[in-house]
Amino acid sequence: DTEVTQTPKHLVMGMTNKKSLKCEQHMGHRAMYWYKQKAKKPPELMFVYSYEKLSINESVPSRFSPECPNSSLLNLHLHALQPEDSALYLCASSQGAGGPLNEQFFGPGTRLTVL
Amino acid sequence: QQPVQSPQAVILREGEDAVINCSSSKALYSVHWYRQKHGEAPVFLMILLKGGEQKGHEKISASFNEKKQQSSLYLTASQLSYSGTYFCGTERGGNQFYFGTGTSLTVIP
Repeated sequence: DTEVTQTPKHLVMGMTNKKSLKCEQHMGHRAMYWYKQKAKKPPELMFVYSYEKLSINESVPSRFSPECPNSSLLNLHLHALQPEDSALYLCASSQGAGGPLNEQFFGPGTRLTVL
Repeated sequence: QQPVQSPQAVILREGEDAVINCSSSKALYSVHWYRQKHGEAPVFLMILLKGGEQKGHEKISASFNEKKQQSSLYLTASQLSYSGTYFCGTERGGNQFYFGTGTSLTVIP
């Protein structure tokens, strides 16, 4: 199984809502990532988990809160978002954590709209 | 920190060749190439490590000049399926990864 799954596919939320994005992989990968992608722009790295520990936080606002409950699951908790947070949120995983970066496998993304 | 790609966009007829360039102001330890089709996730093409290597993947190949901090992606005899946005990417260590600015490639019949 070389698939990364993400749920939900689409999410519309108000600025006062709390919601969560979910990502799952069963490839035994030890690194997992959250990226944010605006239209016609490259994906921007938000967080990296290595061996279930947060290793990189790219100065992301605290209204985004990542969580890695186990080696296969990655969540992104959303609270009090702003309209400018509307974007495609991509999850990815790679085999290694530390050392040269391997190929990243991406999920299909969650299209988030904040009203 | 983000690598810069050129051109920003290119339109090709089927069978034509294209070159996409990726340049960084910081030292490159490796270069990754991904392709993203509209509405889909990025898909890995190849990784090039230090050493000036060149790799191939079907009719898509790439080179990496670490001294110039540049990489180029070569697409030969383009097919309609090659359409999409191509991103280079570089790592900073610790799985910290930055995508390049992107190149939109459209292949027309």
